[in-house]
Amino acid sequence: ILNVEQSPQSLHVQEGDSTNFTCSFPSSNFYALHWYRWETAKSPEALFVMTLNGDEKKKGRISATLNTKEGYSYLYIKGSQPEDSATYLCAFRYGNNRLAFGKGNQVVVIP
Amino acid sequence: SAVISQKPSRDICQRGTSLTIQCQVDSQVTMMFWYRQQPGQSLTLIATANQGSEATYESGFVIDKFPISRPNLTFSTLTVSNMSPEDSSIYLCSVRTGRMNTEAFFGQGTRLTVV
Repeated sequence: ILNVEQSPQSLHVQEGDSTNFTCSFPSSNFYALHWYRWETAKSPEALFVMTLNGDEKKKGRISATLNTKEGYSYLYIKGSQPEDSATYLCAFRYGNNRLAFGKGNQVVVIP
Repeated sequence: SAVISQKPSRDICQRGTSLTIQCQVDSQVTMMFWYRQQPGQSLTLIATANQGSEATYESGFVIDKFPISRPNLTFSTLTVSNMSPEDSSIYLCSVRTGRMNTEAFFGQGTRLTVV
């Protein structure tokens, strides 16, 4: 059983504040770690695909880091805005190109 | 990239009935996947839809309950059969382009409530 854990499960952030959350995943047989952003009634949208230990990726105010040796990734949101309100999913790629997802980090940005 | 049209977007169904969910992709893709997310749970892979052959089901999912069709490289259906309230979930189809370490693309999801 592939265990992908995300914490915290939900968080409320004041507009303008920065925040971060964690995804932990199996450190063996690592292929890639994905982050998706999922707004209600919309399709999950890819943020990052990370493959190398020490990878850091950035997209606007959102960035992510990867530690494959200890099996965790951090997602950071700088200067949160109401449009950042969404569920952020991480997914661990395993055999035959399949993805195992965590339960998500539900973010609500309070204006 | 790939754009996926999934329908219906939501439905409320009576227990014991069946619902078929459709996904149409705007390009030919090798790999299509069906997921569900039960309330409070993670997105869980149901099966991989294979063009021209039977779908490959994950542990805990069976063809009689979730029959899948994949008649060509742009279309697939998932049927949820003999529904019970436990089948109330969001169902998502997803595609991968087949290249290594690229992102997955998703439909908009089908929110199913079984009463």
